[in-house]
Amino acid sequence: DAGITQSPRHKVTETGTPVTLRCHQTENHRYMYWYRQDPGHGLRLIHYSYGVKDTDKGEVSDGYSVSRSKTEDFLLTLESATSSQTSVYFCAISESTATNEKLFFGSGTQLSVL
Amino acid sequence: AQTVTQSQPEMSVQEAETVTLSCTYDTSESNYYLFWYKQPPSRQMILVIRQEAYKQQNATENRFSVNFQKAAKSFSLKISDSQLGDTAMYFCAFVGRQGAQKLVFGQGTRLTINP
Repeated sequence: DAGITQSPRHKVTETGTPVTLRCHQTENHRYMYWYRQDPGHGLRLIHYSYGVKDTDKGEVSDGYSVSRSKTEDFLLTLESATSSQTSVYFCAISESTATNEKLFFGSGTQLSVL
Repeated sequence: AQTVTQSQPEMSVQEAETVTLSCTYDTSESNYYLFWYKQPPSRQMILVIRQEAYKQQNATENRFSVNFQKAAKSFSLKISDSQLGDTAMYFCAFVGRQGAQKLVFGQGTRLTINP
């Protein structure tokens, strides 16, 4: 299995507080992604990165920011959490930018905003 | 923008039966990849099978096979001799080979295999 770790695995927070989720990889893959999973919606892309300090928005980026200061780490920040951001968050890494034949996923973070 | 649609929210079959999960997609690209991912209750995302659009031959992986109809933009998954361990959410996904490699998912089908 690919070396990809998400932390924390579970988090409960209050509305209005900042939250940071971390994705760490040991595969040296260029592409990293953050998705959220909600019932009836599948997985929706929040942000992705194609290199250190190179990021772009996905389809549901409002309310989220990301940073990638090192190849191995991709951080997702909710500046002021809202109840609509209660979700399961997945990080993924891609082994190839030319073909993107596969994505490897982390184990997910269950975030509850009360 | 690409879209992926799975029209079966839930399915249930008996062990050892064959089951087919449907997926349709919309894209203007001519070359792309299609995937089926499995998500058991553990929440782990597991790649089941993938298909490259320029390959006419349908992909197979042991008991899993696809029916890829490029003109109809259809990509169904067939599971033969279903097993209890096949119980999971199944997601169809698409990624184009041009530009940003954003993987787009369908809404998912919850498959239950009954003993």
